Amino acid sequence: NAGVMQNPRHLVRRRGQEARLRCSPMKGHSHVYWYRQLPEEGLKFMVYLQKENIIDESGMPKERFSAEFPKEGPSILRIQQVVRGDSAAYFCASSPGTSGGPYEQYFGPGTRLTVT
Amino acid sequence: AQSVAQPEDQVNVAEGNPLTVKCTYSVSGNPYLFWYVQYPNRGLQFLLKYITGDNLVKGSYGFEAEFNKSQTSFHLKKPSALVSDSALYFCAVRDGGSQGNLIFGKGTKLSVKP
Repeated sequence: NAGVMQNPRHLVRRRGQEARLRCSPMKGHSHVYWYRQLPEEGLKFMVYLQKENIIDESGMPKERFSAEFPKEGPSILRIQQVVRGDSAAYFCASSPGTSGGPYEQYFGPGTRLTVT
Repeated sequence: AQSVAQPEDQVNVAEGNPLTVKCTYSVSGNPYLFWYVQYPNRGLQFLLKYITGDNLVKGSYGFEAEFNKSQTSFHLKKPSALVSDSALYFCAVRDGGSQGNLIFGKGTKLSVKP
């Protein structure tokens, strides 16, 4: 059973470009979470999604950031018009459905975004 | 609001000695508590969790954690540290019930010297 997959592992963008980060949850997992880790800091929650639904986006910046988890395919975190402050490691995590929880979350290896 | 505190930025331990990484929490309901470990340039790996029941929780790689409700603590422990345990350790609390996001502490860097 493959773990949580994220790609790309490293992404370099110039200021003003768009960044697209992909996450494929573990097989059988229907809940996806995105977190951001700045250097020397812990992880900060961004958004929680289920298939075709955003459950909680309270940690997402109001502008330039969006996320989706379509019926088919990976979850996408999209950052438009990137700025240097967006440079960070972005982690995706997944967990199973609601019955029998609460479950731990399983994390992907992360995407390290560098904005030049 | 739920929160987690890890009071130590770094813990240094000699190999073979017991280790403790501290964590305190603040929650409004039942605490769902987790420990994760992060190796350099890697994602987080789940170690253990406390949901309910026995206050001593056993997890992966010989780690355990003790839940103390009166002190609102969930300290991570291991009887005999290994050099390979050197990593960044995060304590987390579940926000908003059984399927909410995790709120993480800032992390504690554990350094185990031979």
